[in-house]
Amino acid sequence: DAGVIQSPRHEVTEMGQEVTLRCKPISGHNSLFWYRQTMMRGLELLIYFNNNVPIDDSGMPEDRFSAKMPNASFSTLKIQPSEPRDSAVYFCASSRTAVDTQYFGPGTRLTVL
Amino acid sequence: AQSVTQLGSHVSVSEGALVLLRCNYSSSVPPYLFWYVQYPNQGLQLLLKYTSAATLVKGINGFEAEFKKSETSFHLTKPSAHMSDAAEYFCAVTSSNDYKLSFGAGTTVTVRA
Repeated sequence: DAGVIQSPRHEVTEMGQEVTLRCKPISGHNSLFWYRQTMMRGLELLIYFNNNVPIDDSGMPEDRFSAKMPNASFSTLKIQPSEPRDSAVYFCASSRTAVDTQYFGPGTRLTVL
Repeated sequence: AQSVTQLGSHVSVSEGALVLLRCNYSSSVPPYLFWYVQYPNQGLQLLLKYTSAATLVKGINGFEAEFKKSETSFHLTKPSAHMSDAAEYFCAVTSSNDYKLSFGAGTTVTVRA
């Protein structure tokens, strides 16, 4: 079974540009999580979806960040406009149910110049 | 609130030596505990998990961890380090009715030849 798929793996953009990160969860998993990893703050949960519905977005840093899950097999995390402090590795994870083991994708390394 | 503390941000071991990574947790409810490994430029991979069954948990790649309630600990060990064990290791805690994983700051393992 394929794992969590994320694209792109690397993204370099300039400040002010829109960035869209993509995630395909494991088939059959109904919970999806977006995390951000930085040296300073470690792994932070940004948003959690259950059955395609956003349940907890308290970790989204500010209005520049938005996330959608239009169907069970696809989610996006968008940053508009991007800023240098958004540079980080963004992970998507999915689990069979909300309280099952989370499986992580390979991450997207975002650099905002 | 749940949290974990990983003692030691960096551990260096000789090839063939014991690997011991320390994790202490704080939880007001019975915890579920996890160890994840992150190889360079990759996502997090589940090593093992404790979900209230046997207190000694065996994982992949020869790793195991022991849940000690009296010490609120979940230390990770491997009897004999291999060069391929060089990676960052994360301890995480949640509970049976919670979707939020709280991660430790991580411990980077270096293996000397």
